[in-house]
Amino acid sequence: AQKVTQAQTEISVVEKEDVTLDCVYETRDTTYYLFWYKQPPSGELVFLIRRNSFDEQNEISGRYSWNFQKSTSSFNFTITASQVVDSAVYFCALNAGGTSYGKLTFGQGTILTVHP
Amino acid sequence: DSGVTQTPKHLITATGQRVTLRCSPRSGDLSVYWYQQSLDQGLQFLIQYYNGEERAKGNILERFSAQQFPDLHSELNLSSLELGDSALYFCASSSGQGSPETQYFGPGTRLLVL
Repeated sequence: AQKVTQAQTEISVVEKEDVTLDCVYETRDTTYYLFWYKQPPSGELVFLIRRNSFDEQNEISGRYSWNFQKSTSSFNFTITASQVVDSAVYFCALNAGGTSYGKLTFGQGTILTVHP
Repeated sequence: DSGVTQTPKHLITATGQRVTLRCSPRSGDLSVYWYQQSLDQGLQFLIQYYNGEERAKGNILERFSAQQFPDLHSELNLSSLELGDSALYFCASSSGQGSPETQYFGPGTRLLVL
């Protein structure tokens, strides 16, 4: 079975603070993909990043960075110098293919509020 | 804008009724996925279609059914609706060329069952 845990239900920060959203996953598959999605107040789900299980390189995209650590089954997301527009619900998701082909297993989401 | 379209945006109906949600995938995408987002269950995978055929099934109720048409658009049919079916229903699409793939989500259909 696959499982994604986002232990932080809500995070509140002040603009320009750095914030890290935690994601821990469980799967028995050796090949899998991890994703982060953003759901702003408007409701749509916006794709942010995809990472496969063989690539443990950290990734940086502007103010966003991701830290994938297979040893701890974690795929954490950091926003540097947060902005009010970053306020959203962020979801970590896992897709292991195989018999679960196509199925994204989502965490419960972390509500991020950035105050001006 | 992901390129995935869903109609209608909002739907209000009564218990016992039947509704149809429609999804058009991104141009060129062959796979379509349906997800349900509710407060108590979170985001749950319902079903996937690839080029007209069912590919994977998740926690989809028997009262729910879906299909993908030759033009690749998909419909999710919800029947004998209950209060608990109130949720945001997302459609997503991917190219269908690899496994697993990035799924791009539509704006969702918000269903309210009264």
